[in-house]
Amino acid sequence: AQSVTQLDSQVPVFEEAPVELRCNYSSSVSVYLFWYVQYPNQGLQLLLKYLSGSTLVKGINGFEAEFNKSQTSFHLRKPSVHISDTAEYFCAVSDPGTYKYIFGTGTRLKVLA
Amino acid sequence: DAGVIQSPRHEVTEMGQEVTLRCKPISGHNSLFWYRQTMMRGLELLIYFNNNVPIDDSGMPEDRFSAKMPNASFSTLKIQPSEPRDSAVYFCASRSLAGASTDTQYFGPGTRLTVL
Repeated sequence: AQSVTQLDSQVPVFEEAPVELRCNYSSSVSVYLFWYVQYPNQGLQLLLKYLSGSTLVKGINGFEAEFNKSQTSFHLRKPSVHISDTAEYFCAVSDPGTYKYIFGTGTRLKVLA
Repeated sequence: DAGVIQSPRHEVTEMGQEVTLRCKPISGHNSLFWYRQTMMRGLELLIYFNNNVPIDDSGMPEDRFSAKMPNASFSTLKIQPSEPRDSAVYFCASRSLAGASTDTQYFGPGTRLTVL
């Protein structure tokens, strides 16, 4: 069975500082990995995804993530955050066969002025 | 592109009443997912359809929950009778089974259900 762990439930960070949101997964088969963002009272929006190929994936809004197979991690990073990045971020793993997503519990990023 | 459309956006009902949530997937998408989001349990997959056929309903919590997809452009999630513990945000998502980005699910804005 697959699972996703987001170790940090909340991450406060000052504006223009860098941030890393951690995601670890477990799976006995190859997987696809995703990061979604949820702004208050909205649905989930895809930030980026890893399917294969280059382990460094760039997404929207200046975010990037690196797939590390040996550490089974897919951490999300941004070199300089803005107030508007305040939101909840979800990591998800997908079975390439069924495309069912298993979501992590989410990390609430709060950017402080 | 209109995106995934859900209605109503908010629903307040009393315990024991029937609740019907509606979803219109993105045109051309032929796979549809229903999720429930709560503080306690996070995002849970309830059921998903491929080509209007339910493929996996193992996440449906009880017999009080049922979902249908009568055609490619419409799905419903029904709770009968509703209970306070059903209070949550319910999301619908869709994806295409062919072409580019078959791996990506696109989410609707959600329906916030409150059962009193």
